[in-house]
Amino acid sequence: EDQVTQSPEALRLQEGESSSLNCSYTVSGLRGLFWYRQDPGKGPEFLFTLYSAGEEKEKERLKATLTKKESFLHITAPKPEDSATYLCAVQAGGTQGGSEKLVFGKGTKLTVNP
Amino acid sequence: DADVTQTPRNRITKTGKRIMLECSQTKGHDRMYWYRQDPGLGLRLIYYSFDVKDINKGEISDGYSVSRQAQAKFSLSLESAIPNQTALYFCATRGGADTQYFGPGTRLTVL
Repeated sequence: EDQVTQSPEALRLQEGESSSLNCSYTVSGLRGLFWYRQDPGKGPEFLFTLYSAGEEKEKERLKATLTKKESFLHITAPKPEDSATYLCAVQAGGTQGGSEKLVFGKGTKLTVNP
Repeated sequence: DADVTQTPRNRITKTGKRIMLECSQTKGHDRMYWYRQDPGLGLRLIYYSFDVKDINKGEISDGYSVSRQAQAKFSLSLESAIPNQTALYFCATRGGADTQYFGPGTRLTVL
């Protein structure tokens, strides 16, 4: 069964204090790994897609990396506006039905204090 | 204007009532999805559609039905709502790439 585990569940940082969020996954043939940001009461906002081990993507203070078993979302010098829940999801390859489903982790709630 | 819109944004209903949640998109995407989000469980797929004539069940379709009225519109119905269907419901769309784009969500409470 495809599975995604995110850690930690919650993380508090001081403004400027860099850290990383972890997403461990087991999937039958990874087609893609996705990071989303979700603010309270809103829909997930797309951040990154990673397809193969060794791939990295960056956007402002965020950098996502991928290995064969996990992905990290690195946050450099975070600001209070980076406070949100960060969701990781995987898409399996294989059959058409299987490739349509995103399996989500439960998320990491990040709080950045000024 | 938002690319993916959902109506209503909030809804309170009673057990046994029929309710419809609507989703519209201006992204021109063929694929549309309905998810629900529960605290501590993450997002789970209810139904998805490749086009107007192609609708498929997701992992938790029991108690739900959908209708794809047009490329841009995908509705989710609860024929007889029950309290454990209280959740956040999200519509998503996908074009040629793999990325799914989500709407703002509908908060549904079933009393």
